[in-house]
Amino acid sequence: EAGVAQSPRYKIIEKRQSVAFWCNPISGHATLYWYQQILGQGPKLLIQFQNNGVVDDSQLPKDRFSAERLKGVDSTLKIQPAKLEDSAVYLCASSLIVNTEAFFGQGTRLTVV
Amino acid sequence: SQQGEEDPQALSIQEGENATMNCSYKTSINNLQWYRQNSGRGLVHLILIRSNEREKHSGRLRVTLDTSKKSSSLLITASRAADTASYFCATDIQTGANNLFFGTGTRLTVIP
Repeated sequence: EAGVAQSPRYKIIEKRQSVAFWCNPISGHATLYWYQQILGQGPKLLIQFQNNGVVDDSQLPKDRFSAERLKGVDSTLKIQPAKLEDSAVYLCASSLIVNTEAFFGQGTRLTVV
Repeated sequence: SQQGEEDPQALSIQEGENATMNCSYKTSINNLQWYRQNSGRGLVHLILIRSNEREKHSGRLRVTLDTSKKSSSLLITASRAADTASYFCATDIQTGANNLFFGTGTRLTVIP
């Protein structure tokens, strides 16, 4: 079974530039999560989708972050414009249904300079 | 804000010893999960315990849950160097969204 795919693995951008991350969850998984993990901290939930609908985006900085999950499969997370404090690993995860184990991708390490 | 908080923040033990990590959380949960994160790799699910369960085993892992104290513990028996990683608890809190919130993590080092 293929795991959660994320791209790119690494990205370096200058502040005020924009960046997009892509996630392909495990086939058939209805729930998709995006997390931000700053070095030395636990993952922070940014947004959760159930199929193509947003379940929770209360911790998403909506003035600069946006996310979508078209057709309830792939998802993209965008930052525009980026700030230095956005430097982190962005993790995508999926689960078959809520209340079950989540499978994580390898993450995208973003460095904003 | 983080829902869970692990204790200790860091733990160093000799190979073969047991390692115990604790997690405390703030609000009522549906279930609690433990994940491992090796350096430079993604998070891997270890075990899930539901709110109506008190103890669960998986190989060398033993998890307990005390909902009255809002706490859980993860015990790794007969530790190996390969167990060196960060361990996180994640709670599925009882809100309408069924969010999965992670704690701050325990960094475990197993010395060969």
